Amino acid sequence: GESVGLHLPTLSVQEGDNSIINCAYSNSASDYFIWYKQESGKGPQFIIDIRSNMDKRQGQRVTVLLNKTVKHLSLQIAATQPGDSAVYFCAERSQGAGGTSYGKLTFGQGTILTVHP
Amino acid sequence: DTGVSQDPRHKITKRGQNVTFRCDPISEHNRLYWYRQTLGQGPEFLTYFQNEAQLEKSRLLSDRFSAERPKGSFSTLEIQRTEQGDSAMYLCASSLHMNTEAFFGQGTRLTVV
Repeated sequence: GESVGLHLPTLSVQEGDNSIINCAYSNSASDYFIWYKQESGKGPQFIIDIRSNMDKRQGQRVTVLLNKTVKHLSLQIAATQPGDSAVYFCAERSQGAGGTSYGKLTFGQGTILTVHP
Repeated sequence: DTGVSQDPRHKITKRGQNVTFRCDPISEHNRLYWYRQTLGQGPEFLTYFQNEAQLEKSRLLSDRFSAERPKGSFSTLEIQRTEQGDSAMYLCASSLHMNTEAFFGQGTRLTVV
């Protein structure tokens, strides 16, 4: 998608189409990834997660794909609905020194998904 | 409601005033996080508690910011001598363990005028 006023990538789809939202992460030591959905004025809502020992995980209407080789994460939403319109963030958790991890998440830029009826 | 609860939802304050926000995590979640989110950006980590111990603080957390979790349950985030640059959404999240998902509250939107 192209950047808009808020400088977030955007994706516009028709109701019923499948959506694919992409995310590039930077830290090869990250071991856990989460996708969040955020509607205007609300906190991020957990959608689906995946650990680094997996390359695919499916939920209800959503699938997350992880490609560790190129440090890329994607979220696929099947049969997109108007209620799916929101900003979608990927987040990564990195292992700290000695294999410790506090669970702190680093968020990506976000993608605005707009679903047209 | 068994989700993460934050209070207040909105706060407007004059520059220089002190403000305090409260977060009630999901019951039995021993990990609690504070994040800050400005318009058009993803949440940025501020600080983290495991039970009552504050284990990590971001460089974003200046000396004017302090967070507590005295009994290992609810947490407070205080900002002293607020500045216009403090205007943001302050989000709290909790998780049961290090390796489980974090659930966010609805946030407190702070506007400093």
